Amino acid sequence: GDSVTQMEGPVTLSEEAFLTINCTYTATGYPSLFWYVQYPGEGLQLLLKATKADDKGSNKGFEATYRKETTSFHLEKGSVQVSDSAVYFCALSQGATNKLIFGTGTLLAVQP
Amino acid sequence: DARVTQTPRHKVTEMGQEVTMRCQPILGHNTVFWYRQTMMQGLELLAYFRNRAPLDDSGMPKDRFSAEMPDATLATLKIQPSEPRDSAVYFCASGLVPPENYGYTFGSGTRLTVV
Repeated sequence: GDSVTQMEGPVTLSEEAFLTINCTYTATGYPSLFWYVQYPGEGLQLLLKATKADDKGSNKGFEATYRKETTSFHLEKGSVQVSDSAVYFCALSQGATNKLIFGTGTLLAVQP
Repeated sequence: DARVTQTPRHKVTEMGQEVTMRCQPILGHNTVFWYRQTMMQGLELLAYFRNRAPLDDSGMPKDRFSAEMPDATLATLKIQPSEPRDSAVYFCASGLVPPENYGYTFGSGTRLTVV
């Protein structure tokens, strides 16, 4: 079945460092891809999305490009802040069911 | 901003007791999901509804879990009897399909502890 694989965390960075969180997927057809963020004690929030190959989603300085040839949707940010510390989830939407299938999440800790 | 409201935020109960979790989806959203989050399994989809009709509850242990939408403003998830392995954070999410337009909005979750 469809699935999402994320890099294991935690990822620990210093403020202003460059961030990459890897995400690859397995799916039949052409899913839409999402990144969600979960701050401590809260629910998941949509961070960005891409609906077709070569689309780039962006929001709050984060970017991810839908790469069909490598089945990847890596999350990047040029300069992280302490306030970016959270768990990041990669997800795909599954065909006609419109269900979201999530990866296991990657904890990001940014130190001052 | 419109929110998905979940109650209670925290619940501690004894093994064998019935637990009911409630979710008020955003007005106008026609799709509601229940997810369970644990350290070991991550986010698991338990059940979901469209226009109040259950579409898929294959992720839910049928012998003890049940999910319903008695009306468009309320979704419930019940566990009877509860067991320690049910301890987790349960999230409700709502949205309009397809999710490519606006994504789904998650509530803040119910943290359940079964002792």
